Amino acid sequence: DQQVKQNSPSLSVQEGRISILNCDYTNSMFDYFLWYKKYPAEGPTFLISISSIKDKNEDGRFTVFLNKSAKHLSLHIVPSQPGDSAVYFCAARSRSNFGNEKLTFGTGTRLTIIP
Amino acid sequence: GAVVSQHPSWVICKSGTSVKIECRSLDFQATTMFWYRQFPKQSLMLMATSNEGSKATYEQGVEKDKFLINHASLTLSTLTVTSAHPEDSSFYICSARTARPGWPQHFGDGTRLSIL
Repeated sequence: DQQVKQNSPSLSVQEGRISILNCDYTNSMFDYFLWYKKYPAEGPTFLISISSIKDKNEDGRFTVFLNKSAKHLSLHIVPSQPGDSAVYFCAARSRSNFGNEKLTFGTGTRLTIIP
Repeated sequence: GAVVSQHPSWVICKSGTSVKIECRSLDFQATTMFWYRQFPKQSLMLMATSNEGSKATYEQGVEKDKFLINHASLTLSTLTVTSAHPEDSSFYICSARTARPGWPQHFGDGTRLSIL
């Protein structure tokens, strides 16, 4: 049962254009959402996050939008740069029975920026 | 800042041996560390959570006697895969965070474990 889904395994975008990565979730108990970026042979790097009580968070070229009614979030990167080429993971936070933070990850979207 | 170092990055060993993986937070105090496992073409799956000085809490379906976790200090957690078998071959990755609200988990680079 995949609670966090990234339905596009890959995406190619021209340099300078907007990249939009999508993520859907099913668990309404998630209270925080995060985006991580991963280069080959490295661990995921935190990019941006959003609380479930907000609908938008912006940090430089990166903006995350949350639509709670649709259980959908998206990451916008504008303008896209070649260095943005990586795998992007969406993650959603919940609390375990022990009260610990638990992140549930999507399967990732490979973004390729075409020069 | 927020660097997490994981060692080794790659290990190959014979079936039946035990393998220890270290996870260190280099520039912050990690009150909580997490261990994940990733199978090919699948997402990261949380195995267990460890709070410094406490016993680890394991996710459903993860054998605590198979995957021993120790978090004895604010900068170090270890995962020991005991009596490893080929089905334990996978990518293991740790993350760490402080107790500060809103602080995200920061990840190590992972360990590729291959059991022959």
